[in-house]
Amino acid sequence: QLQLQESGPGLVKPSETLSLTCTVSGGSTSSNGYYWGWIRQPPGKGLEWIGSIFYDGTTYYNPSLKSRVTISLDTSKNQFSLSLSSVTAADTALYYCARSRYFSSGHYSDYWGQGTLVTVSS
Amino acid sequence: SYEVTQPPSVSVSPGQTASITCSGDKLGDKYAHWYQQKPGQSPVLVIYQNNKRPSGIPERFSGSNSGNTATLTISGTQVMDEADYYCQAWDSSTAKVVFGGGTNLAVL
Repeated sequence: QLQLQESGPGLVKPSETLSLTCTVSGGSTSSNGYYWGWIRQPPGKGLEWIGSIFYDGTTYYNPSLKSRVTISLDTSKNQFSLSLSSVTAADTALYYCARSRYFSSGHYSDYWGQGTLVTVSS
Repeated sequence: SYEVTQPPSVSVSPGQTASITCSGDKLGDKYAHWYQQKPGQSPVLVIYQNNKRPSGIPERFSGSNSGNTATLTISGTQVMDEADYYCQAWDSSTAKVVFGGGTNLAVL
C-alpha cells in the first residue's frame, strides 16, 4: 500500500522560504506514469493545487504561484520536495503531498499524505 | 484562466439521491474527477475520469460529465457520506490542475 508522509517546519517567518519534503513508501517515485505533487488548503477553505513533478523531472506549477515555487524529485531517497519563497500570512495552510496518475488528458490524485500545517507568522 | 464552480452546500435526506454539480466552460470536453473530504481527514478520490470508481468506493457513488456540467451522484445517501466534495479538472491550455471551491453535503 502506497503511503506518503509530509515533513518540515510548522512555523515559517514572513518573507522566508517554506520547505517541505514528502517521503514515499510502498512505491517508487521513479515509476513511469505518475506525477508527484503538492496541494494546499487554507484553514476552513478549499483545495489549491501548487504544482506537480513528473517521474522524469518535468514540472508544472500553478501560474499564480509559479514565481515562488520549486518542486524537486530525489528518486534515490524516494522523496520529493516543495520550496515556496517569500511567504506571507496568506500561505498559511495545510499542505498535502499526493501521487497523481497521468493520462493523456490530465491527471488525478489517487494517494494523499495526511497533510502538514504550516503557519506563517513572526 | 479556467475555473470550475460548485454550489457551496447541498442537503439530502438519508436514503435519497444527492447530486453535486461542477460547472465550467465546455467542461464536458475535459475529464472531471471528484474527491471526498471528511473533517480532519485528507481528501479521498471517489470518481475519476468522469465516471470511474476507484477500488473500495461504494457503488452508490457515480459520475457524469456533459456540456458545461459534471455531476457527482450519490444514490441511497448515508449519514457517513456527509463531507465536503471537490471536483477537479485539468486545463490543458495552461497545464494547470483546477479545483472547484467544494460542496458541503449535509445528510439530514
